[in-house]
Amino acid sequence: GQQVMQIPQYQHVQEGEDFTTYCNSSTTLSNIQWYKQRPGGHPVFLIQLVKSGEVKKQKRLTFQFGEAKKNSSLHITATQTTDVGTYFCAGPRRSGGYQKVTFGTGTKLQVIP
Amino acid sequence: DAGITQSPRHKVTETGTPVTLRCHQTENHRYMYWYRQDPGHGLRLIHYSYGVKDTDKGEVSDGYSVSRSKTEDFLLTLESATSSQTSVYFCAISPQGARVNTEAFFGQGTRLTVV
Repeated sequence: GQQVMQIPQYQHVQEGEDFTTYCNSSTTLSNIQWYKQRPGGHPVFLIQLVKSGEVKKQKRLTFQFGEAKKNSSLHITATQTTDVGTYFCAGPRRSGGYQKVTFGTGTKLQVIP
Repeated sequence: DAGITQSPRHKVTETGTPVTLRCHQTENHRYMYWYRQDPGHGLRLIHYSYGVKDTDKGEVSDGYSVSRSKTEDFLLTLESATSSQTSVYFCAISPQGARVNTEAFFGQGTRLTVV
């Protein structure tokens, strides 16, 4: 089964409220990526985190990679209707000599105007 | 957007029939993936390829086969479609698999309905 779990599965927020989604892995990750999928669209890459404890910001989005490199979070400050979509984390999973990208279950964000 | 095209975009097929979905890329990326997306399950990896004629299974490979005879094309075949394979299928490509400083680019998706 999937090795990368995300919570919550769904989140409804009032526009202007903050939102956080969490990603947890059963194993240490060399890196973690975050993607956003708009309704009816395809996943689009947002960012990649590599270092233990790393924090990166993109405007109102803050991404963190845990010290043990087993968990990550995405925090959105003051949500807007344009933030609606499903947010996925993704981590590498080794298979033989190759690494494949394994996605979390995703968090679907609804923003109420 | 990366040069990645999925065809068909929509398909309705009958149970028991074979179905082939095509992913075509113009980026010359080494890695290609097929995922299925279902409510509550996120994106689950079906098969992936790390080079021409080099493929491996993902976590939900039963009932699916793949082929990659050229760098630019990755085909997903449902040998005998079942209703449980009704889903949205995404192809993705990346230059270096899951290594650092790489990202996956997704196609627009194929909505498959098996009736």
